Amino acid sequence: QKEVEQNSGPLSVPEGAIASLNCTYSDRGSQSFFWYRQYSGKSPELIMFIYSNGDKEDGRFTAQLNKASQYVSLLIRDSQPSDSATYLCAVKVPLGSGYALNFGKGTSLLVTP
Amino acid sequence: DAGVIQSPRHEVTEMGQEVTLRCKPISGHDYLFWYRQTMMRGLELLIYFNNNVPIDDSGMPEDRFSAKMPNASFSTLKIQPSEPRDSAVYFCASSSQGTDYGYTFGSGTRLTVV
Repeated sequence: QKEVEQNSGPLSVPEGAIASLNCTYSDRGSQSFFWYRQYSGKSPELIMFIYSNGDKEDGRFTAQLNKASQYVSLLIRDSQPSDSATYLCAVKVPLGSGYALNFGKGTSLLVTP
Repeated sequence: DAGVIQSPRHEVTEMGQEVTLRCKPISGHDYLFWYRQTMMRGLELLIYFNNNVPIDDSGMPEDRFSAKMPNASFSTLKIQPSEPRDSAVYFCASSSQGTDYGYTFGSGTRLTVV
């Protein structure tokens, strides 16, 4: 079983601060990583994906990947109350003759005004 | 683009009844995935299709679960007979390039079996 581990939280940060969300994965051969955001009662929506070691920035979001440590993170700068949600880390894994995404259970983020 | 469309949004049924969940993927997407989400187990992949063909169903929990994709614009997930432990949110997702750029999820069906 290829595991994707996340701290369930809740992670509480004040408005304007940097929120740091972390994820570890067990399959050293994994190549593609994704972050989804899920508001309560809604479906997951894709925020970012990252394939290469290092940082990838998109607006207030930065994904960081370290394949040697099997670790991927998501930083949210200038956190807003609207960022309060559960953040799901997903890893592309081989399955059957193709691939699928294996999800962690998510980290709950609460941004307080 | 209307996105991935699932129906019904909510389903309450009695134990032992047959339940059918429906999904219409985004037009042009050739991959379709069915996931189940619970608090305890998170998002679990049940089955996925490529070009209407089931590729892997190893996540289907029991023979009570079955899924079909008769054409590129429609898929069903059926549970017969349903049990209380099947209560969960069932998501359908589609993509046009496998997993390379992630999936688009539908709004989900919240199933309650009493």
